[in-house]
Amino acid sequence: AQSVSQHNHHVILSEAASLELGCNYSYGGTVNLFWYVQYPGQHLQLLLKYFSGDPLVKGIKGFEAEFIKSKFSFNLRKPSVQWSDTAEYFCAVNRNSGYALNFGKGTSLLVTP
Amino acid sequence: NAGVMQNPRHLVRRRGQEARLRCSPMKGHSHVYWYRQLPEEGLKFMVYLQKENIIDESGMPKERFSAEFPKEGPSILRIQQVVRGDSAAYFCASSPPSGPQETQYFGPGTRLLVL
Repeated sequence: AQSVSQHNHHVILSEAASLELGCNYSYGGTVNLFWYVQYPGQHLQLLLKYFSGDPLVKGIKGFEAEFIKSKFSFNLRKPSVQWSDTAEYFCAVNRNSGYALNFGKGTSLLVTP
Repeated sequence: NAGVMQNPRHLVRRRGQEARLRCSPMKGHSHVYWYRQLPEEGLKFMVYLQKENIIDESGMPKERFSAEFPKEGPSILRIQQVVRGDSAAYFCASSPPSGPQETQYFGPGTRLLVL
């Protein structure tokens, strides 16, 4: 069955620490990959996306993600987190020929001052 | 440029009542998607619509749930005879007419609570 796994459900970091959130998917074929963020009280916003090309994708607010096809992974990274990065982070995947996004369960990130 | 609008933001219904959730896509977008997020779960795809057409409703429960996207007006997700298990956050997303491969932009969601 097609699935998206986010390994860390809750992460707590101090400001300036480095962040890496894991995302693995189990899809055959070509896929599109996304990271969305949901800040407290706000709607889902797109952080970054990968459709094709350079597997290292840079997004907004200093986030980046690397698509490793052989590992079926699309991990999200940020070298130095800020308190304002406290949010819920969702990895999502859809088929290159499709549209329905398949979401992971999300990772809740808390950044402490 | 207004984003995807959803209303109401919060909806409380008693068991057996009907819930109607509305979604206005971003200006210029003609593809609408509905997702449901149950507590402690990720978002699950429900239905994909274009103007006056349901393209894919494979994620919709077979009974009590329906969706439409009329030529004029917002998309409506309708839940008849709600039960407690329908309590969830319902998110709408839209994408441009160039195709469903475009990025989906999400609304703020409607939190439905069934008492």
